[in-house]
Amino acid sequence: DAGVIQSPRHEVTEMGQEVTLRCKPISGHDYLFWYRQTMMRGLELLIYFNNNVPIDDSGMPEDRFSAKMPNASFSTLKIQPSEPRDSAVYFCASSFHRAEAFFGQGTRLTVV
Amino acid sequence: GQQVMQIPQYQHVQEGEDFTTYCNSSTTLSNIQWYKQRPGGHPVFLIQLVKSGEVKKQKRLTFQFGEAKKNSSLHITATQTTDVGTYFCAGDTGRRALTFGSGTRLQVQP
Repeated sequence: DAGVIQSPRHEVTEMGQEVTLRCKPISGHDYLFWYRQTMMRGLELLIYFNNNVPIDDSGMPEDRFSAKMPNASFSTLKIQPSEPRDSAVYFCASSFHRAEAFFGQGTRLTVV
Repeated sequence: GQQVMQIPQYQHVQEGEDFTTYCNSSTTLSNIQWYKQRPGGHPVFLIQLVKSGEVKKQKRLTFQFGEAKKNSSLHITATQTTDVGTYFCAGDTGRRALTFGSGTRLQVQP
């Protein structure tokens, strides 16, 4: 298995634009997590899914953020409209039964 | 909400010295996991502790889970330069999954 795959690896966008981050979890994993990492706030859990159903989205900063998981092999995190304070590294991770979480390489987002 | 605190934030040691990082949760955990993140990399799983008072070892690394399942520690014996990175604990309460601590950044001087 290729592991958790995220795209793009880097994204630079202008304030106000829509940004979509993509994640392909490891096949067979039933949990998918989205995290945001910044120097100031560390690793924040934004939302997680179990069997494609969102379980806890209390970490989503505001209504500009949305996440979907239309099937077991794909998830998106969308920011619309983006703001400079959204600049961060966004990680997707997946696990089987909430055991070891495997992280993707991350997407480094810069909003200018 | 659940909070997971880690101390220290940063530790600089000479190669060969020991290192310990501590993790405390505001709520009782069903399990705790430890991860290592190298500079520029992504978190990589090290271990999961489930039982109260559990102690696990991986070569020079020793992990402990407190009796009350609210705290944990990671101890590295005789650090090496390959140990450089940030060590995170991540608590799972059952209701809310994998809340990460603030991390401890370890620097090892050769």
